[in-house]
Amino acid sequence: DGGITQSPKYLFRKEGQNVTLSCEQNLNHDAMYWYRQDPGQGLRLIYYSQIVNDFQKGDIAEGYSVSREKKESFPLTVTSAQKNPTAFYLCASRSGGRQTGELFFGEGSRLTVL
Amino acid sequence: AQSVTQLGSHVSVSEGALVLLRCNYSSSVPPYLFWYVQYPNQGLQLLLKYTSAATLVKGINGFEAEFKKSETSFHLTKPSAHMSDAAEYFCAVINSGGYQKVTFGTGTKLQVIP
Repeated sequence: DGGITQSPKYLFRKEGQNVTLSCEQNLNHDAMYWYRQDPGQGLRLIYYSQIVNDFQKGDIAEGYSVSREKKESFPLTVTSAQKNPTAFYLCASRSGGRQTGELFFGEGSRLTVL
Repeated sequence: AQSVTQLGSHVSVSEGALVLLRCNYSSSVPPYLFWYVQYPNQGLQLLLKYTSAATLVKGINGFEAEFKKSETSFHLTKPSAHMSDAAEYFCAVINSGGYQKVTFGTGTKLQVIP
């Protein structure tokens, strides 16, 4: 079945540690996205990538980094510079060739900083 | 810049009553609009999308939405609420101008009262 796989689903981190969230898709989509979700704030865009080896900052990129070395993969690193990293993180992909194409989402990763 | 505004962070309806969730958009070019649903600790699932083909759009689970350019609105409706409709609903917009950035509203939590 085609889809998006995020791992891990739950992650605990101590302050000062970097963590990497995995996102893999087998939908052959060009564009991939990372969103952060906090209660009452909806989804806020962290980074997005339209093609391999290219990505753009979203609205809240500070304290995060990404890479796009393969079409299928778009990992997100939450660095120690992120002031309040506890949140629910959602990865999504979209067919880049169709402007009307919708986003397909993974099941999310919940990060808790202890 | 494109944006969407969802009026009402919480909406309560009785089972069998009309569901109306409001979304207004702001866009300098013709927009593409989407409604998504999210159940607790899960990713988002597409309910329906407007891509300029028809102003009244029918989606899954009996939901529909009407694009009204004069009111810059894309409200989501369902004639009769079911207990299984209790979830959080998000409106989203993509500009038709070629950018791949997808912007979400802050969400509306729907409560269905037996």
